Amino acid sequence: DQQVKQNSPSLSVQEGRISILNCDYTNSMFDYFLWYKKYPAEGPTFLISISSIKDKNEDGRFTVFLNKSAKHLSLHIVPSQPGDSAVYFCAASNSNSGYALNFGKGTSLLVTP
Amino acid sequence: EAGVAQSPRYKIIEKRQSVAFWCNPISGHATLYWYQQILGQGPKLLIQFQNNGVVDDSQLPKDRFSAERLKGVDSTLKIQPAKLEDSAVYLCASSFLRFGETQYFGPGTRLLVL
Repeated sequence: DQQVKQNSPSLSVQEGRISILNCDYTNSMFDYFLWYKKYPAEGPTFLISISSIKDKNEDGRFTVFLNKSAKHLSLHIVPSQPGDSAVYFCAASNSNSGYALNFGKGTSLLVTP
Repeated sequence: EAGVAQSPRYKIIEKRQSVAFWCNPISGHATLYWYQQILGQGPKLLIQFQNNGVVDDSQLPKDRFSAERLKGVDSTLKIQPAKLEDSAVYLCASSFLRFGETQYFGPGTRLLVL
């Protein structure tokens, strides 16, 4: 039962433009959301997170938006750079369940020059 | 600060053989997680330790998988006997057990069962 869904397996964006990666979840008990970035043959690397009491968190070129009523979050990357090309995983956790992460299937982002 | 260490990085075995993976978490992190990532999927939790106690092992196939965390530091995940469907990347992560704490992942062990 997939509680975190990333419905776009891949996304291609031109360098300098905005990349928007989307994520939906079904479990209303999730209270912390994270985005991880993964390069081939490496482990996931933490990118940015947001608590359920917020609707936006920004860190440099990366912004995460959370819409709790729609159970939807998105990651915006502005401006996109070729080095951003990687697989991006959305993850969610429940503080009442040990904080284990529930991951989506990932979205492969390609930023072209 | 050293990251999460895992070994081996790659392992090829035949079905019905046994295999073990090792993880050394970030110093001071009391919580350790093992995740399984099958090709094309996101990581899935197998087991979570807090110090040397198990917090959640509900998704661990206990008929063939076992894990331990002696002395609350290093951890070992074992598969015996392995099946073809166990081919995956096994990721270890560690963190502090507090709200908002980031889980840091190791590079993973890529297992191929033939």
